[in-house]
Amino acid sequence: DVKVTQSSRYLVKRTGEKVFLECVQDMDHENMFWYRQDPGLGLRLIYFSYDVKMKEKGDIPEGYSVSREKKERFSLILESASTSQTSMYLCASSLVYDNSPLHFGNGTRLTVT
Amino acid sequence: GQQLNQSPQSMFIQEGEDVSMNCTSSSIFNTWLWYKQEPGEGPVLLIALYKAGELTSNGRLTAQFGITRKDSFLNISASIPSDVGIYFCAGGGSQGNLIFGKGTKLSVKP
Repeated sequence: DVKVTQSSRYLVKRTGEKVFLECVQDMDHENMFWYRQDPGLGLRLIYFSYDVKMKEKGDIPEGYSVSREKKERFSLILESASTSQTSMYLCASSLVYDNSPLHFGNGTRLTVT
Repeated sequence: GQQLNQSPQSMFIQEGEDVSMNCTSSSIFNTWLWYKQEPGEGPVLLIALYKAGELTSNGRLTAQFGITRKDSFLNISASIPSDVGIYFCAGGGSQGNLIFGKGTKLSVKP
């Protein structure tokens, strides 16, 4: 079974802090994704990566950046956290890009105060 | 852009009842996926559909890829309390990306 592990289940940060959310997958998947999930808005794609050191903007990239230095690891960075970024963050991976099923981690619930 | 309409938004049912939910779009999709998310967890893949008209079962769950390629249905038979959660559909478009519905929240009363 594919395992996608997010380093933290819960995080509380202050406004203006730099925040790192880490994600690791163990199945040698090419593609990795970061989503945020908010009530009533569903899943929204922030960034994705289809190869090491490659990244593509999703639907809501503003205020975020990403890093993929190794195939198995994909990091989401909030350069200066704001209260509007309080949300559930989900990392996912897939074998290939073309409509392959995504395998999700358990999520990180981030609260920015 | 492509959008999915998932309905109903929520359902409150009695244990033992059958459940139906669906996703529709004005766009054609090449893939339909159904996920379940339990409280505090990430979504887990239930069923993947790759061909128009395809009907696939996973235990008490059955999903269909609509003939028009613009919709998909998920049915749960004889619901049990552990079916509680949010069910998401996702459509795979021509650009290779997945579009998610906003989810159907299922509550089951014992």
